Amino acid sequence: GAVVSQHPSWVICKSGTSVKIECRSLDFQATTMFWYRQFPKQSLMLMATSNEGSKATYEQGVEKDKFLINHASLTLSTLTVTSAHPEDSSFYICSALQWKETQYFGPGTRLLVL
Amino acid sequence: TQLLEQSPQFLSIQEGENLTVYCNSSSVFSSLQWYRQEPGEGPVLLVTVVTGGEVKKLKRLTFQFGDARKDSSLHITAAQPGDTGLYLCAGARNNDMRFGAGTRLTVKP
Repeated sequence: GAVVSQHPSWVICKSGTSVKIECRSLDFQATTMFWYRQFPKQSLMLMATSNEGSKATYEQGVEKDKFLINHASLTLSTLTVTSAHPEDSSFYICSALQWKETQYFGPGTRLLVL
Repeated sequence: TQLLEQSPQFLSIQEGENLTVYCNSSSVFSSLQWYRQEPGEGPVLLVTVVTGGEVKKLKRLTFQFGDARKDSSLHITAAQPGDTGLYLCAGARNNDMRFGAGTRLTVKP
């Protein structure tokens, strides 16, 4: 099946710093990738849709200046959490869309902001 | 309001029991996916159903897509502790995909 990787798998940072998370589709090209956030014991919350070569589409309530998304190639999307604060601590998961129908997920990145 | 309603939200059963999880919507989907997620990991795709009335089997798991392509069910036979996890359904519609809130299944040995 299709493989999606995320890096780093976990990160601890100080409040006020920025953190970049990479999402790569390893064996297929993905014009569309998604970024999700998940709180403990809850379902996935879609943050934004990342389209290669164009601006990301953010869900209501998600600050685009806070969560910067770049989809510069067909296999890579990045999410940068700018000026991170403790409330940004969460599990961030990306997915890549294959054949316009199926999302394949990365393993997730656990962010802890101190 | 969730576009996709999953039920039950939580389910705790003993090993060997059968169970069914439901995913319902008032919208028609071009396809529907089921995922399973374990703690600290990303969701893993179990199946994609595309045709109304379609039934797919994956070992002890049986997936059904409703005739009208608005709903789906996941039936697990003789559940095992390894089936424990968060089960998510996701519907594709108009180049958009939405997830249900999930069913958290615990299978006790």
